[in-house]
Amino acid sequence: DAKTTQPNSMESNEEEPVHLPCNHSTISGTDYIHWYRQLPSQGPEYVIHGLTSNVNNRMASLAIAEDRKSSTLILHRATLRDAAVYYCILRTSNFGNEKLTFGTGTRLTIIP
Amino acid sequence: SQTIHQWPATLVQPVGSPLSLECTVEGTSNPNLYWYRQAAGRGLQLLFYSVGIGQISSEVPQNLSASRPQDRQFILSSKKLLLSDSGFYLCAWRTLTYEQYFGPGTRLTVT
Repeated sequence: DAKTTQPNSMESNEEEPVHLPCNHSTISGTDYIHWYRQLPSQGPEYVIHGLTSNVNNRMASLAIAEDRKSSTLILHRATLRDAAVYYCILRTSNFGNEKLTFGTGTRLTIIP
Repeated sequence: SQTIHQWPATLVQPVGSPLSLECTVEGTSNPNLYWYRQAAGRGLQLLFYSVGIGQISSEVPQNLSASRPQDRQFILSSKKLLLSDSGFYLCAWRTLTYEQYFGPGTRLTVT
């Protein structure tokens, strides 16, 4: 699986937007970009995924660079419950490929 | 809606003892199922996945094994636990669009 690079940690103020970056310079044309987050002592939670176009859902937005070598997860208005480790993952869309490779992610701290 | 269950929630076992962790999914048929492990302070490691009854793929060779005796049941086992088996074990299932949903996990401590 192609590799992603994320900052180890970030801080943001409560009620402000948060932009979590992810670099994936070796991404291939068939790789989907997935984001998960993990709250303390819980399993990961699916956040959003996309291929080429920007994506929005109730949790977040995913902005994908035109060359697809980077992406940004956007939390529009951070709350204390958004404090978690955020993982950016590439999934190759080959038939039968089941693997999501979780890295170390970005630990997001929300400041009240 | 779909629900994924894991038990037990916590487990303390001595080195050399056997292990059996169970995962069941409700509300979906023939799901792809996964076992992950997360060591303390580390990322998630995929251990096994299954695309159907009796079909198991192993990602990491070790003293763990997995079985899928029923469509929505996935079991992780070991005959003899090692200290290095301690960790947070997570079961997951995935949707047709490759979103994975995780269970609450089992925290295993091998002493």
